[in-house]
Amino acid sequence: KNQVEQSPQSLIILEGKNCTLQCNYTVSPFSNLRWYKQDTGRGPVSLTIMTFSENTKSNGRYTATLDADTKQSSLHITASQLSDSASYICVVSAHSSASKIIFGSGTRLSIRP
Amino acid sequence: DAGVIQSPRHEVTEMGQEVTLRCKPISGHNSLFWYRQTMMRGLELLIYFNNNVPIDDSGMPEDRFSAKMPNASFSTLKIQPSEPRDSAVYFCASTIYGTSGSLYNEQFFGPGTRLTVL
Repeated sequence: KNQVEQSPQSLIILEGKNCTLQCNYTVSPFSNLRWYKQDTGRGPVSLTIMTFSENTKSNGRYTATLDADTKQSSLHITASQLSDSASYICVVSAHSSASKIIFGSGTRLSIRP
Repeated sequence: DAGVIQSPRHEVTEMGQEVTLRCKPISGHNSLFWYRQTMMRGLELLIYFNNNVPIDDSGMPEDRFSAKMPNASFSTLKIQPSEPRDSAVYFCASTIYGTSGSLYNEQFFGPGTRLTVL
């Protein structure tokens, strides 16, 4: 069964600290993995996308990693800011099949001043 | 660029009524996606179009749901008749369909329509 599991479900950290969010998937055949940031009341915004051959990609203070062998991905946020408070959603796509875009349930991140 | 435009932003209706959600994709984008988001189920892909043609509607939950894209700049998602369990936020997203397929390219989401069916 195609699944995407994220952990933790929620996380609270102090401003300026780093954090790492996890994503494990069983989607097959794997095409790509994307991390989205979704602010409350808004649509998701893409942070990074990685294919099978990529194992790391950065977007400013966000760095995503991918281990296709273990089917795990992580999103590392460096020097967190209050504006990082949002839900972070891991999305995995299977090859050539829109019906196999599988969304994780997200990690709710709260940054405290 | 105005981004993806959705209307209405909020819709409250009674069970049994017809609901029509509207989406205007980003100009020049030729792939359009409809999603639904609830607390229980998270984000789910309902249907997507390439060049105004429905490609995959396997995510549409029931025959009560239908989607159309009469031209490159407009799409509708209709629910008839609506039920309380249809209450959710409905997102429209668009992208450019390239050689790698629209599933690879970044999708740009609209602000969503929050639907409440009483």
